[in-house]
Amino acid sequence: GESVGLHLPTLSVQEGDNSIINCAYSNSASDYFIWYKQESGKGPQFIIDIRSNMDKRQGQRVTVLLNKTVKHLSLQIAATQPGDSAVYFCAESKAAGNKLTFGGGTRVLVKP
Amino acid sequence: DTEVTQTPKHLVMGMTNKKSLKCEQHMGHRAMYWYKQKAKKPPELMFVYSYEKLSINESVPSRFSPECPNSSLLNLHLHALQPEDSALYLCASSQVRLAGDGEQYFGPGTRLTVT
Repeated sequence: GESVGLHLPTLSVQEGDNSIINCAYSNSASDYFIWYKQESGKGPQFIIDIRSNMDKRQGQRVTVLLNKTVKHLSLQIAATQPGDSAVYFCAESKAAGNKLTFGGGTRVLVKP
Repeated sequence: DTEVTQTPKHLVMGMTNKKSLKCEQHMGHRAMYWYKQKAKKPPELMFVYSYEKLSINESVPSRFSPECPNSSLLNLHLHALQPEDSALYLCASSQVRLAGDGEQYFGPGTRLTVT
């Protein structure tokens, strides 16, 4: 069954502000990282990815930062909009096998 | 077409029933995946198929039986499930890449309730 009392970390942000979502990963052998967005009732949707030979990658309104020294990944969303309200998951992968391991998730709530 | 489709959207089954979940993609991807997701938790990998062959089984109980009839289809056969198997079952597909990178495209999932 489900864990009683389990809740996702939540980030409340004002519409138009920037959001920063953090993720710590544990496997130093991981060399590929992805951020997914999951809206209620839907499957995860790809946002942006980064390989371990990079420390920053930018997309449309999103930036991913990778700090391999402390095994930390972050997702920055610029000018957060109501449509950005969702649960965000980071995921990591090693060199071979196509296996993704997901982190715990952060809920983002955008206040109008 | 960048869509992964899953049927049914919802399924309620008893513990003695046999049912199947279906997944289809037409992106030419040769890797397909089954994940299980409980409420407020991340997706957990169950199975990976690569070139229609099972490459990863994450110690999933035998009451879950995957099948990959061809490169576009992935099934998950269910038999004698327990109430704790109630969850959202997600299918995904991707390119097979030796380097391990590559976006996985997810379907909307099948919401399974075992009574």
